[in-house]
Amino acid sequence: DMKVTQMPRYLIKRMGENVLLECGQDMSHETMYWYRQDPGLGLQLIYISYDVDSNSEGDIPKGYRVSRKKREHFSLILDSAKTNQTSVYFCASSLRENTLYFGAGTRLSVL
Amino acid sequence: QQKVQQSPESLIVPEGGMASLNCTSSDRNVDYFWWYRQHSGKSPKMLMSIFSNGEKEEGRFTVHLNKASLHTSLHIRDSQPSDSALYLCAASNTGNYKYVFGAGTRLKVIA
Repeated sequence: DMKVTQMPRYLIKRMGENVLLECGQDMSHETMYWYRQDPGLGLQLIYISYDVDSNSEGDIPKGYRVSRKKREHFSLILDSAKTNQTSVYFCASSLRENTLYFGAGTRLSVL
Repeated sequence: QQKVQQSPESLIVPEGGMASLNCTSSDRNVDYFWWYRQHSGKSPKMLMSIFSNGEKEEGRFTVHLNKASLHTSLHIRDSQPSDSALYLCAASNTGNYKYVFGAGTRLKVIA
């Protein structure tokens, strides 16, 4: 069963706290992504990972970093979260240039 | 300015009617287009993709692509209330694995 799992689903943090969003996939996909979704802006690419320790900035990487130490696991880290990072974050994976499979999303509120 | 523009922003059609959604990329390197559907509170799921000039039909859904103008359109015939969702267009080009999304068209089908 092809699945992308995101944890946690909901998160409330205070400004300045560190945030860790985790994503796992069971499809052995090489490529994984982190997007954020805000009303009226669609999905914006934060980072892309081509495989273990092979990461590349997307369109809005500022304030974020990522870690991929295993092919099936991709983490998004916010060091000292800001209120403008309140958003819904989606992780996705794909096999080469093919369909993106999305996780259920993490709704992050930074107060 | 977003590289992928979608129109209209929102659309209301009667049940059984035809819904037509548009998408244009401003990046001349794009050669793949994707349509994703996202129901409220859910994650995006791939609906259709198109890479060649022309038309592709799957059930009630038809996608057109004009590569010269980098324009794609999605047409939904016999629209159902369950088709009510946010429709996201994405574009990518060979080799960089990056999918750029438009802001989406919010479709509402009323009974």
